[in-house]
Amino acid sequence: QQPVQSPQAVILREGEDAVINCSSSKALYSVHWYRQKHGEAPVFLMILLKGGEQKGHEKISASFNEKKQQSSLYLTASQLSYSGTYFCGTGGSNYKLTFGKGTLLTVNP
Amino acid sequence: GAGVSQSPSNKVTEKGKDVELRCDPISGHTALYWYRQSLGQGLEFLIYFQGNSAPDKSGLPSDRFSAERTGGSVSTLTIQRTQQEDSAVYLCASSLSGTSGSYEQYFGPGTRLTVT
Repeated sequence: QQPVQSPQAVILREGEDAVINCSSSKALYSVHWYRQKHGEAPVFLMILLKGGEQKGHEKISASFNEKKQQSSLYLTASQLSYSGTYFCGTGGSNYKLTFGKGTLLTVNP
Repeated sequence: GAGVSQSPSNKVTEKGKDVELRCDPISGHTALYWYRQSLGQGLEFLIYFQGNSAPDKSGLPSDRFSAERTGGSVSTLTIQRTQQEDSAVYLCASSLSGTSGSYEQYFGPGTRLTVT
């Protein structure tokens, strides 16, 4: 089942912080986060795994609450380049990811 | 190194025609995925390849859709007798392996398909 992302959209001024949430009704092994700019391919940001392992870009932080089957992506001191649509993909112990509908982030000067 | 490439970048076709979409994954990536993205929607899983095998075709919307992968590399997604509801962006992704969820996926730029 498709994870639910919230908020659907958020508008920030440069330098402000944002949190994007991803919630699943199924037990999770992994949560992936990607960012997609308009007309471009989604770009990998971070993977969070059951048990606490994480890998991704140093400037990105995220959390994974296994019991609540939720993940949050933290964007601090936002820059104009952070604008785009953020997708979470949730997965079991194999290859398959189910993606949410995305959160549109707009950072204004 | 080179990323995932897809061709064509845009395709306009008439309803009822067949189309072929091509994906060239990152060299050495054994796992390959096809997704469909409609306006305002997330990424809809279509099919997964591990090597040349497709253990999961569960996302293919109908029997008009098929895909193959040859030489553990290039993949082709074929849509027969296209319908207007097939209009979408078709994204391909590859990863080092598909044996677990711990490998990031690298996406191609997509093929925008428009069925008139």
